[in-house]
Amino acid sequence: GESVGLHLPTLSVQEGDNSIINCAYSNSASDYFIWYKQESGKGPQFIIDIRSNMDKRQGQRVTVLLNKTVKHLSLQIAATQPGDSAVYFCAEWGSQGNLIFGKGTKLSVKP
Amino acid sequence: DVKVTQSSRYLVKRTGEKVFLECVQDMDHENMFWYRQDPGLGLRLIYFSYDVKMKEKGDIPEGYSVSREKKERFSLILESASTNQTSMYLCASSPALAGVYEQYFGPGTRLTVT
Repeated sequence: GESVGLHLPTLSVQEGDNSIINCAYSNSASDYFIWYKQESGKGPQFIIDIRSNMDKRQGQRVTVLLNKTVKHLSLQIAATQPGDSAVYFCAEWGSQGNLIFGKGTKLSVKP
Repeated sequence: DVKVTQSSRYLVKRTGEKVFLECVQDMDHENMFWYRQDPGLGLRLIYFSYDVKMKEKGDIPEGYSVSREKKERFSLILESASTNQTSMYLCASSPALAGVYEQYFGPGTRLTVT
């Protein structure tokens, strides 16, 4: 979810478990959302996206759920692996024609 | 594969220096972006450009300027670096295609201003 102040929300899961990372967005008119993964020392990488005319989209081991009623987005990672350890950002398409990023959630996978 | 490269991974500059951060993309993308990333604050948009010679202010343009003389290159300029500009700087690009919003990011430049 969204962070307050300078502390990044963290999620710690056991290897093999499912992970759910949550995000609240601000603009009810946003019609596009995207999840990025950022590993240590690297730039963000695209994971999956979803448009507002959908409420669920699946990729390889990842699923994004969109609840427009409460302006909530979630990323589910199945069978979490050590390589999934990273910071995950959600982003919404803003009225200025650019992506607006959330503050990120740090996922740690315990072996 | 889209490749976005940034001129330096790490940079240390002194207060008051003029700093140039360069970004090059090889996919003929029209749109280019500069963000800064700070712990707990996520990515904040500094400037973006939809075409050569064009620029638009993002959320935090103060203290920065940009230059886009060629389509593949987008430069971020700190006219007089200050310690509060110590940050990770990320460049991104995207094509100007209807319905395509994904941005491709470079590896980042970690700038320290002392």
